[in-house]
Amino acid sequence: GENVEQHPSTLSVQEGDSAVIKCTYSDSASNYFPWYKQELGKRPQLIIDIRSNVGEKKDQRIAVTLNKTAKHFSLHITETQPEDSAVYFCAARLGPGGATNKLIFGTGTLLAVQP
Amino acid sequence: SAVISQKPSRDICQRGTSLTIQCQVDSQVTMMFWYRQQPGQSLTLIATANQGSEATYESGFVIDKFPISRPNLTFSTLTVSNMSPEDSSIYLCSVNSGTSTDTQYFGPGTRLTVL
Repeated sequence: GENVEQHPSTLSVQEGDSAVIKCTYSDSASNYFPWYKQELGKRPQLIIDIRSNVGEKKDQRIAVTLNKTAKHFSLHITETQPEDSAVYFCAARLGPGGATNKLIFGTGTLLAVQP
Repeated sequence: SAVISQKPSRDICQRGTSLTIQCQVDSQVTMMFWYRQQPGQSLTLIATANQGSEATYESGFVIDKFPISRPNLTFSTLTVSNMSPEDSSIYLCSVNSGTSTDTQYFGPGTRLTVL
Protein backbone atom coordinates (compact mmCIF):
# COMPACT_ATOMS: atom_id res chain seq x y z
CA GLY A 1 0.00 0.00 0.00
CA GLU A 2 0.90 3.67 0.00
CA ASN A 3 3.82 4.56 2.22
CA VAL A 4 5.46 7.84 3.21
CA GLU A 5 8.93 7.77 4.72
CA GLN A 6 10.24 10.78 6.63
CA HIS A 7 13.80 11.62 7.73
CA PRO A 8 15.31 12.49 10.08
CA SER A 9 13.24 11.48 13.08
CA THR A 10 14.95 14.12 15.22
CA LEU A 11 16.81 17.25 14.20
CA SER A 12 18.62 19.72 16.42
CA VAL A 13 19.84 23.04 15.01
CA GLN A 14 21.18 26.29 16.37
CA GLU A 15 18.97 29.34 16.20
CA GLY A 16 19.47 31.08 12.87
CA ASP A 17 20.55 27.93 11.04
CA SER A 18 18.49 26.17 8.37
CA ALA A 19 16.59 22.91 8.84
CA VAL A 20 15.66 20.43 6.13
CA ILE A 21 13.23 17.53 6.48
CA LYS A 22 12.84 15.00 3.69
CA CYS A 23 10.02 12.66 2.68
CA THR A 24 9.58 10.04 0.01
CA TYR A 25 6.32 8.53 -1.19
CA SER A 26 5.50 5.34 -3.03
CA ASP A 27 2.33 6.06 -5.03
CA SER A 28 3.31 7.84 -8.25
CA ALA A 29 -0.32 9.01 -8.64
CA SER A 30 -0.09 11.15 -5.49
CA ASN A 31 -0.46 14.82 -6.38
CA TYR A 32 -0.86 16.79 -3.16
CA PHE A 33 1.71 17.10 -0.37
CA PRO A 34 0.99 19.10 2.80
CA TRP A 35 3.24 19.74 5.78
CA TYR A 36 1.91 20.04 9.32
CA LYS A 37 3.49 21.45 12.47
CA GLN A 38 2.38 20.01 15.80
CA GLU A 39 3.42 21.69 19.02
CA LEU A 40 3.24 19.73 22.24
CA GLY A 41 -0.37 19.14 23.27
CA LYS A 42 -1.75 20.98 20.25
CA ARG A 43 -3.46 19.98 17.02
CA PRO A 44 -1.48 19.55 13.78
CA GLN A 45 -1.47 22.85 11.88
CA LEU A 46 -1.01 23.13 8.13
CA ILE A 47 2.03 25.28 7.40
CA ILE A 48 2.55 24.81 3.68
CA ASP A 49 1.48 22.51 0.88
CA ILE A 50 2.44 21.81 -2.71
CA ARG A 51 0.71 20.27 -5.66
CA SER A 52 2.35 18.09 -8.27
CA ASN A 53 2.23 20.69 -11.02
CA VAL A 54 4.67 22.89 -9.05
CA GLY A 55 8.31 22.20 -8.21
CA GLU A 56 8.77 24.67 -5.38
CA LYS A 57 6.67 26.87 -3.14
CA LYS A 58 7.83 29.44 -0.60
CA ASP A 59 6.14 31.27 2.24
CA GLN A 60 8.44 33.60 4.15
CA ARG A 61 10.96 31.40 6.00
CA ILE A 62 9.54 28.07 4.89
CA ALA A 63 9.69 26.43 1.49
CA VAL A 64 8.78 23.07 0.06
CA THR A 65 10.36 21.40 -2.97
CA LEU A 66 8.98 18.48 -4.94
CA ASN A 67 10.79 16.06 -7.22
CA LYS A 68 8.09 13.96 -8.88
CA THR A 69 10.52 11.77 -10.77
CA ALA A 70 12.30 10.70 -7.62
CA LYS A 71 9.09 10.86 -5.54
CA HIS A 72 10.78 13.12 -2.98
CA PHE A 73 9.59 16.28 -1.30
CA SER A 74 11.33 18.37 1.33
CA LEU A 75 10.58 21.10 3.85
CA HIS A 76 13.14 23.87 4.26
CA ILE A 77 13.08 26.28 7.19
CA THR A 78 15.55 29.15 7.10
CA GLU A 79 16.67 31.43 9.94
CA THR A 80 15.22 29.04 12.50
CA GLN A 81 13.81 30.43 15.74
CA PRO A 82 13.06 28.69 19.06
CA GLU A 83 9.33 28.88 18.28
CA ASP A 84 9.95 26.62 15.27
CA SER A 85 10.58 23.79 17.75
CA ALA A 86 7.83 21.20 17.20
CA VAL A 87 7.08 17.90 15.49
CA TYR A 88 6.70 18.24 11.72
CA PHE A 89 4.69 15.76 9.65
CA CYS A 90 4.71 15.39 5.89
CA ALA A 91 1.81 13.76 4.08
CA ALA A 92 0.85 12.59 0.62
CA ARG A 93 -2.63 12.35 -0.77
CA LEU A 94 -3.36 8.92 -2.09
CA GLY A 95 -4.81 9.01 -5.57
CA PRO A 96 -6.38 11.82 -7.59
CA GLY A 97 -8.53 13.38 -4.88
CA GLY A 98 -12.26 13.79 -4.60
CA ALA A 99 -13.80 10.80 -2.86
CA THR A 100 -10.33 9.35 -2.35
CA ASN A 101 -9.02 12.36 -0.51
CA LYS A 102 -7.24 10.60 2.32
CA LEU A 103 -3.77 11.59 3.45
CA ILE A 104 -0.96 9.22 4.35
CA PHE A 105 1.34 10.74 6.96
CA GLY A 106 5.04 10.36 7.51
CA THR A 107 6.39 9.32 10.88
CA GLY A 108 7.26 12.83 12.01
CA THR A 109 10.41 14.84 12.75
CA LEU A 110 11.07 16.39 16.13
CA LEU A 111 12.82 19.68 15.46
CA ALA A 112 14.64 21.35 18.34
CA VAL A 113 16.00 24.85 17.80
CA GLN A 114 18.65 25.67 20.38
CA PRO A 115 18.83 29.35 21.37
CA SER B 1 -10.48 28.03 7.43
CA ALA B 2 -13.37 26.42 9.28
CA VAL B 3 -13.60 26.50 13.06
CA ILE B 4 -13.61 22.93 14.34
CA SER B 5 -14.49 21.90 17.89
CA GLN B 6 -14.41 18.52 19.58
CA LYS B 7 -16.05 17.27 22.74
CA PRO B 8 -14.86 16.06 25.16
CA SER B 9 -11.34 17.47 25.10
CA ARG B 10 -10.18 14.65 27.32
CA ASP B 11 -11.59 11.75 29.28
CA ILE B 12 -10.51 8.91 31.50
CA CYS B 13 -12.58 5.76 31.02
CA GLN B 14 -12.80 2.30 32.42
CA ARG B 15 -12.02 -0.80 30.43
CA GLY B 16 -15.05 -2.25 28.67
CA THR B 17 -16.99 1.00 28.43
CA SER B 18 -17.64 3.16 25.35
CA LEU B 19 -17.03 6.83 24.64
CA THR B 20 -18.59 8.99 21.94
CA ILE B 21 -16.56 11.90 20.62
CA GLN B 22 -18.26 14.77 18.83
CA CYS B 23 -16.84 16.94 16.05
CA GLN B 24 -18.63 20.18 15.15
CA VAL B 25 -17.71 22.52 12.29
CA ASP B 26 -18.96 26.09 11.92
CA SER B 27 -19.62 25.68 8.19
CA GLN B 28 -20.67 22.94 5.80
CA VAL B 29 -17.80 20.75 4.64
CA THR B 30 -17.65 18.01 2.07
CA MET B 31 -15.27 15.60 3.73
CA MET B 32 -14.81 14.70 7.41
CA PHE B 33 -12.18 12.28 8.66
CA TRP B 34 -11.30 10.62 11.95
CA TYR B 35 -7.67 9.98 12.93
CA ARG B 36 -5.93 8.31 15.82
CA GLN B 37 -2.60 9.51 17.18
CA GLN B 38 -1.04 7.14 19.68
CA PRO B 39 1.45 8.61 22.15
CA GLY B 40 4.55 9.87 20.34
CA GLN B 41 3.32 8.53 17.01
CA SER B 42 2.08 9.81 13.69
CA LEU B 43 -1.51 10.20 12.55
CA THR B 44 -3.41 7.15 11.34
CA LEU B 45 -6.67 7.46 9.45
CA ILE B 46 -9.50 5.48 11.04
CA ALA B 47 -12.28 6.28 8.57
CA THR B 48 -13.88 8.81 6.29
CA ALA B 49 -17.26 9.95 7.59
CA ASN B 50 -19.74 10.11 4.73
CA GLN B 51 -22.83 12.24 5.03
CA GLY B 52 -25.95 10.12 4.71
CA SER B 53 -24.17 6.81 4.27
CA GLU B 54 -21.92 4.40 6.10
CA ALA B 55 -18.37 5.47 6.89
CA THR B 56 -15.45 4.14 4.88
CA TYR B 57 -13.01 2.36 7.19
CA GLU B 58 -9.28 1.87 6.71
CA SER B 59 -7.56 -1.45 7.03
CA GLY B 60 -7.36 -2.50 10.67
CA PHE B 61 -10.41 -0.52 11.79
CA VAL B 62 -13.94 -1.93 11.91
CA ILE B 63 -17.39 -0.48 12.37
CA ASP B 64 -18.19 -2.56 15.44
CA LYS B 65 -15.24 -1.05 17.29
CA PHE B 66 -15.43 2.50 15.89
CA PRO B 67 -19.00 3.29 14.82
CA ILE B 68 -19.26 6.68 13.13
CA SER B 69 -22.22 8.89 12.41
CA ARG B 70 -22.49 11.91 10.15
CA PRO B 71 -26.06 13.18 10.14
CA ASN B 72 -25.30 16.44 8.29
CA LEU B 73 -22.50 18.47 6.69
CA THR B 74 -21.32 20.09 9.94
CA PHE B 75 -21.31 17.29 12.53
CA SER B 76 -19.90 13.82 13.09
CA THR B 77 -19.39 11.44 15.99
CA LEU B 78 -16.89 8.67 16.59
CA THR B 79 -17.57 6.03 19.25
CA VAL B 80 -14.77 3.98 20.73
CA SER B 81 -16.48 0.79 21.87
CA ASN B 82 -15.58 -1.80 24.47
CA MET B 83 -12.41 0.08 25.31
CA SER B 84 -9.11 -1.41 26.40
CA PRO B 85 -5.90 0.36 27.52
CA GLU B 86 -4.59 -0.02 23.95
CA ASP B 87 -7.25 2.47 22.85
CA SER B 88 -5.57 5.22 24.87
CA SER B 89 -4.77 7.82 22.21
CA ILE B 90 -5.63 11.22 20.88
CA TYR B 91 -8.56 11.11 18.47
CA LEU B 92 -8.77 13.93 15.94
CA CYS B 93 -11.34 14.88 13.39
CA SER B 94 -10.33 16.74 10.27
CA VAL B 95 -12.26 18.44 7.50
CA ASN B 96 -11.76 19.80 4.04
CA SER B 97 -12.49 23.47 4.11
CA GLY B 98 -12.53 26.57 2.01
CA THR B 99 -12.25 26.62 -1.72
CA SER B 100 -9.79 23.77 -1.89
CA THR B 101 -10.94 20.20 -1.45
CA ASP B 102 -7.31 19.22 -0.94
CA THR B 103 -6.60 21.00 2.30
CA GLN B 104 -7.39 19.31 5.60
CA TYR B 105 -7.69 21.11 8.91
CA PHE B 106 -7.70 19.38 12.26
CA GLY B 107 -9.86 19.73 15.30
CA PRO B 108 -8.23 20.16 18.72
CA GLY B 109 -8.40 16.44 19.49
CA THR B 110 -9.77 14.30 22.29
CA ARG B 111 -7.23 12.78 24.66
CA LEU B 112 -8.54 9.41 25.82
CA THR B 113 -7.04 7.39 28.65
CA VAL B 114 -8.40 3.91 29.32
CA LEU B 115 -7.64 2.34 32.68
